[in-house]
Amino acid sequence: AQSVSQHNHHVILSEAASLELGCNYSYGGTVNLFWYVQYPGQHLQLLLKYFSGDPLVKGIKGFEAEFIKSKFSFNLRKPSVQWSDTAEYFCAVIYYNQGGKLIFGQGTELSVKP
Amino acid sequence: DTAVSQTPKYLVTQMGNDKSIKCEQNLGHDTMYWYKQDSKKFLKIMFSYNNKELIINETVPNRFSPKSPDKAHLNLHINSLELGDSAVYFCASSQGVQTQYFGPGTRLLVL
Repeated sequence: AQSVSQHNHHVILSEAASLELGCNYSYGGTVNLFWYVQYPGQHLQLLLKYFSGDPLVKGIKGFEAEFIKSKFSFNLRKPSVQWSDTAEYFCAVIYYNQGGKLIFGQGTELSVKP
Repeated sequence: DTAVSQTPKYLVTQMGNDKSIKCEQNLGHDTMYWYKQDSKKFLKIMFSYNNKELIINETVPNRFSPKSPDKAHLNLHINSLELGDSAVYFCASSQGVQTQYFGPGTRLLVL
């Protein structure tokens, strides 16, 4: 079965530090890739997505992600985090041969100290 | 002008009761989903409907029954609620395999 793995369960950073959250997915043909963010007590919001084209995608709030096909990875980055980035981050993958089912990673809790 | 809405937002009930959660989307999407988020925040798909037709049915107990009266609505009925059903349930919608947009969630607590 296809799976998505996020490398870090909990990341703690100080404001202005750089962020990189790892995400790997298992092979399963054509995929669409996503990062979602869930602020405390809120619903999931789309940060960015990759369907095709330039493997470096830019999202909202200064986030970006790089798709590396050979490594089955889609890591999320931000050069300088803010306290307001404190949230849970989910990597998710749609495998075209799975009827649109969005498979989520375990989530990474990001805590940013002011 | 909420894109994906769910009611109720909170649901507290006793074991053995039957309850329903409603979801509506005004994005004109053809596909709707139900996800369950457990206490460890892990998200897993339960069901998916495309144009009112069930297309994804994960290994969910028969006590859970989705119903889609039309493309814009997907309701979730749960019979004989159990303690383990306590979770946050998210509805989502998309156009085909494009981006899924999520509702605000329904926090279900079974006592």
